[in-house]
Amino acid sequence: AQTVTQSQPEMSVQEAETVTLSCTYDTSENNYYLFWYKQPPSRQMILVIRQEAYKQQNATENRFSVNFQKAAKSFSLKISDSQLGDTAMYFCAFMNSNSGYALNFGKGTSLLVTP
Amino acid sequence: DVKVTQSSRYLVKRTGEKVFLECVQDMDHENMFWYRQDPGLGLRLIYFSYDVKMKEKGDIPEGYSVSREKKERFSLILESASTNQTSMYLCASSPSRGQPYGYTFGSGTRLTVV
Repeated sequence: AQTVTQSQPEMSVQEAETVTLSCTYDTSENNYYLFWYKQPPSRQMILVIRQEAYKQQNATENRFSVNFQKAAKSFSLKISDSQLGDTAMYFCAFMNSNSGYALNFGKGTSLLVTP
Repeated sequence: DVKVTQSSRYLVKRTGEKVFLECVQDMDHENMFWYRQDPGLGLRLIYFSYDVKMKEKGDIPEGYSVSREKKERFSLILESASTNQTSMYLCASSPSRGQPYGYTFGSGTRLTVV
């Protein structure tokens, strides 16, 4: 199975500041997809952003952007202008054809945004 | 609005009981998945299914089985529940086998085995 590593179990950031969540993965494949999911206390998993490995350009969704370093197998998430509603668990996930297009998740980072 | 519905939000069962966790999707998705979520371990794939009556083992299938008799319904079965199966269980679906997008999750069932 592919390995997804999130090395920061917990992080904290002040409102309006910027925070970066780390994710590394291990694969020998060239074609794959990477995702960041948010899970607030409601438990509902929400897709934050996705990146196709064949695209060199980093994905951006409003305040959320990624730094995709394919050679380093790194996929970090940057949250700009953090808001209280960003408080949640964040999961990095990997998918490719070898996994049957099932998502393979990291252990998660608990992000707390403080006033 | 597309939806994945898990029948119970909270469930308490006794050790040794047979437990059924139900998941229904209304999006005509081909793929369905069961994950287990534990603090510090993230989400781990138990079983998934590409089609009716088909199933594939995920990373931690031991102690579990699944049933998919209809396209919209995917059941997770604990044949004889044990305390180490106390966890949050998340169901998900996605459109088709070769489609990497469109994953939709249910709201989870928190199962406690006493």
